[in-house]
Amino acid sequence: QSVLTQPPSASGTPGQRVTISCSGSSSDIGSNTVNWYQQLPGAAPKLLIYNGNQRPSGVPERFSGSRSATSASLAISGLQSEDEADYYCASWDDSLNGPVFGTGTKVNV
Amino acid sequence: QVQLVQSGAEVKKPGASVKVSCKASGYTFTGSYMHWVRQAPGQGLEWMGSINPNSGDTDYAERFQGRVTMTRDTSITTAYMELSRLRSDDTAVYFCATETAAVTDAFDLWGQGTLVTVSS
Repeated sequence: QSVLTQPPSASGTPGQRVTISCSGSSSDIGSNTVNWYQQLPGAAPKLLIYNGNQRPSGVPERFSGSRSATSASLAISGLQSEDEADYYCASWDDSLNGPVFGTGTKVNV
Repeated sequence: QVQLVQSGAEVKKPGASVKVSCKASGYTFTGSYMHWVRQAPGQGLEWMGSINPNSGDTDYAERFQGRVTMTRDTSITTAYMELSRLRSDDTAVYFCATETAAVTDAFDLWGQGTLVTVSS
């Protein structure tokens, strides 16, 4: 099954802004919403952004999402040490009839 | 408390089957699909399939067709995922996940994960 493409890693110093890209196709990002998940070591993924740019209750405003055509991005502004984690994008795949996940990006602070 | 609690770690031999449970509480179990996602060591997330707890209808990813069976018991608000003919590359953490009424088309509620190790 196809996956969405993300850079393997991204890094920044505290207070900086980091952006993570997510590349897909017309059958996933191109026609469906994008979600972002944060996964701390040894933990289950946590929903960070849904429907492209919506934040669940409790997620800080410094996390934001955007989408354009068949790509999406997650931005983390005011980077903090606790943001060090793996980040995954996800989108519904019409051909899979289920969600497809990104390859994951490890953010180092 | 809104949560999904999964069964404990399993060690299986190649060719065997494993059945993982996912106990839901704090929300309407029959109100949203239950999905299963797995993560091999050091790897990314992979969707395996889903079950409609209300009807029992299932939808499996093609690569697991014929090996995976998802069921549920509404009387105890528990979903199950059984994977048969296990291979070493099935070694992974298996998560159940769902969406609550707070979000749409996203998994905002996850189980803690169940490590399944396949080794001879």
